[in-house]
Amino acid sequence: KAGVTQTPRYLIKTRGQQVTLSCSPISGHRSVSWYQQTPGQGLQFLFEYFSETQRNKGNFPGRFSGRQFSNSRSEMNVSTLELGDSALYLCASSPPGAAEAFFGQGTRLTVV
Amino acid sequence: GEDVEQSLFLSVREGDSSVINCTYTDSSSTYLYWYKQEPGAGLQLLTYIFSNMDMKQDQRLTVLLNKKDKHLSLRIADTQTGDSAIYFCAERSGGSYIPTFGRGTSLIVHP
Repeated sequence: KAGVTQTPRYLIKTRGQQVTLSCSPISGHRSVSWYQQTPGQGLQFLFEYFSETQRNKGNFPGRFSGRQFSNSRSEMNVSTLELGDSALYLCASSPPGAAEAFFGQGTRLTVV
Repeated sequence: GEDVEQSLFLSVREGDSSVINCTYTDSSSTYLYWYKQEPGAGLQLLTYIFSNMDMKQDQRLTVLLNKKDKHLSLRIADTQTGDSAIYFCAERSGGSYIPTFGRGTSLIVHP
C-alpha cells in the first residue's frame, strides 16, 4: 500500500509569490491534515480536511488556505509568501475512525 | 491550552537502553503517540497507547504511561546508531481529531 505522497519535495520561491503544495493520502483515508514544521516553532497545525470539508483550522493567517478533492487528495496554498514561511510542510492522513495518523515525507519550502 | 513537554536532547551509547520522557497537561488525553523523524524525512508513527493502558511493548520499544502524573515514556532497548533521530511525543483527546505535539527529543547514539 502506497504511503502518503507529497509533491514537490523541494521548492524555492521568492517573497510575494504564491505556492501550491499537494498531498495524496493513503488509499481509503478520508482525513488529511497539514502541519508546518520550523526549528523555532516546532510542529504547528494548519488545517484538517475530511470529505472535502475543512473540519479544523489552526492559528495561521488567511494567506494559508487549503482544499480537499473528492478523491481525498488535498492541496494547500500560501499566497504573498514571506521569508518566515520557509519551513517543512507535512501532510498526514488518517483512516476513518482510527487513532493513527500517517505522515508524508514533507515539502521543504524555501522563500528567498 | 494543551501542552506537551519533552527534553530537547538525549545522548546514549550504542547497545544501551534509551528512555525518552514526555509530560502533557490535557487530562482528557485519550491517545498518546510516539513518532520518529529522521533528517530530511517526515514523521514515522512508532507506536501509540490508549489512556486506559499502562504499558505497551513492541519489539525493542516499550511505552509506559502514568496517567496520574500525565507522564509518558518511550524506552528503546539495545539502542543502535540507526535509532538516532528526533522523537516526538503527541497526545490527542477523544473529542479532537488533531494531536498536539511536543518539540521533539533529539536522540544521539554514539559508539
